[in-house]
Amino acid sequence: AQSVTQLDSHVSVSEGTPVLLRCNYSSSYSPSLFWYVQHPNKGLQLLLKYTSAATLVKGINGFEAEFKKSETSFHLTKPSAHMSDAAEYFCVVRTNTGNQFYFGTGTSLTVIP
Amino acid sequence: EAQVTQNPRYLITVTGKKLTVTCSQNMNHEYMSWYRQDPGLGLRQIYYSMNVEVTDKGDVPEGYKVSRKEKRNFPLILESPSPNQTSLYFCASSKRLAGGPGTGELFFGEGSRLTVL
Repeated sequence: AQSVTQLDSHVSVSEGTPVLLRCNYSSSYSPSLFWYVQHPNKGLQLLLKYTSAATLVKGINGFEAEFKKSETSFHLTKPSAHMSDAAEYFCVVRTNTGNQFYFGTGTSLTVIP
Repeated sequence: EAQVTQNPRYLITVTGKKLTVTCSQNMNHEYMSWYRQDPGLGLRQIYYSMNVEVTDKGDVPEGYKVSRKEKRNFPLILESPSPNQTSLYFCASSKRLAGGPGTGELFFGEGSRLTVL
């Protein structure tokens, strides 16, 4: 069985400070992992993906994530938060058969000016 | 422009009145799926389709139907909507890699906000 746990439902940071959004996954196989961002009243946009190549994955808008198999984690980071980063973030795992995607419950990021 | 298009974007209906939410993609993707998003629950998969005429249930299929007669279209049908189906719905598509597990990402539509009174 595969599942995703986002450890924080809300994260608040000051503009210019680092962002850390935590995600743990459960998978019987080496998974495909993704981070998506959702701005208010918008669809979901891909930030980055891990598909068993490099463990440190760089995405759009300065975000990156590190796949740590020993910790079953795929945390999302950004060195310096911008006001435009305020949004909902979802960690997603795709099953090894490719049939299904499992979403975390989301982390709402607030950026304080 | 590569995109997934859903219609309608907003709909208010009454209990029991059949409705269809259309979804179309122009990327020649094999895989398509429907999700509902509810506060505190993230996105949950309703149905998915690996290719034309191949559909399967996701985690929350009760009260929904789908069909995949053409590769580009994947409509979601609510035969008799109920208030607990009030939600934000997303259609998504993905390329399925031939001969192996899919590792491609999902491309999402803009969402359809449905209210059932």
